[in-house]
Amino acid sequence: GAVVSQHPSWVICKSGTSVKIECRSLDFQATTMFWYRQFPKQSLMLMATSNEGSKATYEQGVEKDKFLINHASLTLSTLTVTSAHPEDSSFYICSARDPGAKNIQYFGAGTRLSVL
Amino acid sequence: GNSVTQMEGPVTLSEEAFLTINCTYTATGYPSLFWYVQYPGEGLQLLLKATKADDKGSNKGFEATYRKETTSFHLEKGSVQVSDSAVYFCALSAVGSGGSNYKLTFGKGTLLTVNP
Repeated sequence: GAVVSQHPSWVICKSGTSVKIECRSLDFQATTMFWYRQFPKQSLMLMATSNEGSKATYEQGVEKDKFLINHASLTLSTLTVTSAHPEDSSFYICSARDPGAKNIQYFGAGTRLSVL
Repeated sequence: GNSVTQMEGPVTLSEEAFLTINCTYTATGYPSLFWYVQYPGEGLQLLLKATKADDKGSNKGFEATYRKETTSFHLEKGSVQVSDSAVYFCALSAVGSGGSNYKLTFGKGTLLTVNP
């Protein structure tokens, strides 16, 4: 199946710093990617929809200035957690929609963010 | 709005036992239905899918049938293995008019543990 690469898989940072997470579709062009947050033992919460060449669409309650999303090419979307705080510690997962495969979403392996 | 309700876990089975994880949904239009699996510390992997009523998705011995009349998509496997231990998520994708972004709506997940 299609492959979505997410990097880094694990990051530890100090409070107040910013962290960038990359999501790449390796063998298809993804005009739409999605960013999720997952708390321990819970389901995935959609944070935002990333559209290539346009602004991301954020879900209600998600701070767009806190979680910056850039989708500069058809194969890359980035999520930057700005001025991270301990409460931002979580598992972040991206997915990419494959328009050539009936719009199935393929997921990255996730990034575990720990803010000290 | 759209919603997915799946059987709460955890589910603990012995190897070679029969597995059923129930999933029902509420949606407008004609959604596609999915089962995703998440192994510890990893992202989600698509397990199987069904895009229209009466379709049966199958993969790795798992099956699920899209039942429009009962709005269900129950996951089954005839003989589970220890390696099937994971969290299973039922999900739907909105399909139809209105410029849908094909957002996925997830159930809360069911933890399956298979003992030798």
